[in-house]
Amino acid sequence: QVQLQESGPGLVKPSQTLSLTCTVSGGSISSGDYFWSWIRQPPGKGLEWIGYIYYSGSAYYGPSLKSRVSISVDTSRNQFSLNLYSVTAADTAVYYCAREVNVPVGNGDAFDIWGQGTMVTVSS
Amino acid sequence: EIVLTQSPGTLSLSPGERATLSCRASQSVRSSSLAWYQQKPGQAPRLLMYGASTRATGIPDRFSGSGSGTDFILTISRLEPEDFAVYYCQQYDFRPLTFGGGTRVEIK
Repeated sequence: QVQLQESGPGLVKPSQTLSLTCTVSGGSISSGDYFWSWIRQPPGKGLEWIGYIYYSGSAYYGPSLKSRVSISVDTSRNQFSLNLYSVTAADTAVYYCAREVNVPVGNGDAFDIWGQGTMVTVSS
Repeated sequence: EIVLTQSPGTLSLSPGERATLSCRASQSVRSSSLAWYQQKPGQAPRLLMYGASTRATGIPDRFSGSGSGTDFILTISRLEPEDFAVYYCQQYDFRPLTFGGGTRVEIK
């Protein structure tokens, strides 16, 4: 059973970099069948997809954060990571890592496995 | 970017009642490339439905989905106590993948 677990600081100062890691267990990140995504949810609000990475290192970012985000992968550790630069209070949210799977109906991917999420607060 | 608008924002119902949740897209979502998720407090979302009407593994048949183009519906035929939660739709036709703002189903 594949599981995802986020880790990283729960508090980040404004203008600094938010860095999180997602560890994949129970399966290989290098299987090639999935994209590995980051999604965030501000307190009391909805979900925002940040971007994904493929095991090869190819990444794709959503437009709203594209100028401040990078996602990387470490296949030897079965992990992928998120860096969000120059954060502000608006970046305070629960950050989820999730597995994107190409579902058999439709044109793309849904998120079938999620980490439990980690709350990150941006504050001095 | 495809914007998804969910309505109502909150649905107040009693156990055993039928829930009807709406998700409207700002442009046509091809091939019914729409998924639904359930989120309970303090938990990650859980995939309920994809392809607008196909239940994900382990999802009970009281959950059903319908719709195409720009209008989609999630129906819970008879609400069980564990169904009171927030529900999100998500389109996967175009990048960026986008979610609706959610519908909260609360106990009346």
